[in-house]
Amino acid sequence: SQQGEEDPQALSIQEGENATMNCSYKTSINNLQWYRQNSGRGLVHLILIRSNEREKHSGRLRVTLDTSKKSSSLLITASRAADTASYFCATTKGDDKIIFGKGTRLHILP
Amino acid sequence: IAGITQAPTSQILAAGRRMTLRCTQDMRHNAMYWYRQDLGLGLRLIHYSNTAGTTGKGEVPDGYSVSRANTDDFPLTLASAVPSQTSVYFCASSRTVAGGEDTQYFGPGTRLTVL
Repeated sequence: SQQGEEDPQALSIQEGENATMNCSYKTSINNLQWYRQNSGRGLVHLILIRSNEREKHSGRLRVTLDTSKKSSSLLITASRAADTASYFCATTKGDDKIIFGKGTRLHILP
Repeated sequence: IAGITQAPTSQILAAGRRMTLRCTQDMRHNAMYWYRQDLGLGLRLIHYSNTAGTTGKGEVPDGYSVSRANTDDFPLTLASAVPSQTSVYFCASSRTVAGGEDTQYFGPGTRLTVL
C-alpha cells in the first residue's frame, strides 16, 4: 500500500505561475524525496529532505516538511512548459525501502 | 552505456509465456530495484537487491522472480505471464540503500502487454 499520497491528482496552471503539490504520509519516516516523470520516461530525482529538516531549496524548487502533520509540499516557482510532468513523493521508513505515492500530474498552459 | 538501460522497450506477450526483462547499470551501484507502474496506482516495488548475490521481495512479488549474479545486471522474469501483469516496468538503481538517502536512478521503462 502507498505510504505517500499526493494532492491534487492533477493540476493545470498558466506558465509563469507557481505550482504547489502536497504529499501526505501515514507513518514516521527517515526522509522524503520528490521525483519528476516526463511522459513515457523514467523518474528523475529532484530533491531529498530529511526528517529533521523543515525546508530545502533547489533552483526554482522549494520543499517543506511538517513531520507533526505528516505532510510535505513541493513548490515550483515561475513555472515553465518544460515543468509539465508527473511529480511523485517517495518516503523511506525504517526498513529502508522507498515507497512512492501515486503522483500529481502537472500541466503548464502556454 | 551511460546510466541504466532496459530491454526491450516494449513487448506484446501471449498469456502463459515466459518473459525476461533485462536491466543493466554501469554506475557500480550496489542496490537495484524493479517497479511496475499502473495508472492510478503509482509505482509499486516488485523485487529489490541490496547487493550482488542477494534479493528481496517488495510489495507485489507474486508471479515475478529476479536474480543478481553480478553488480551490473538485474533481470526480472515472468515465469508464466498473465494479463494482470500488463504494465510499465521500471528498473532503478542506487549507490546503497542506507536509510534510503541515496538517489534512485531509473531506466526508461519497458511497456509490457500480456494478451
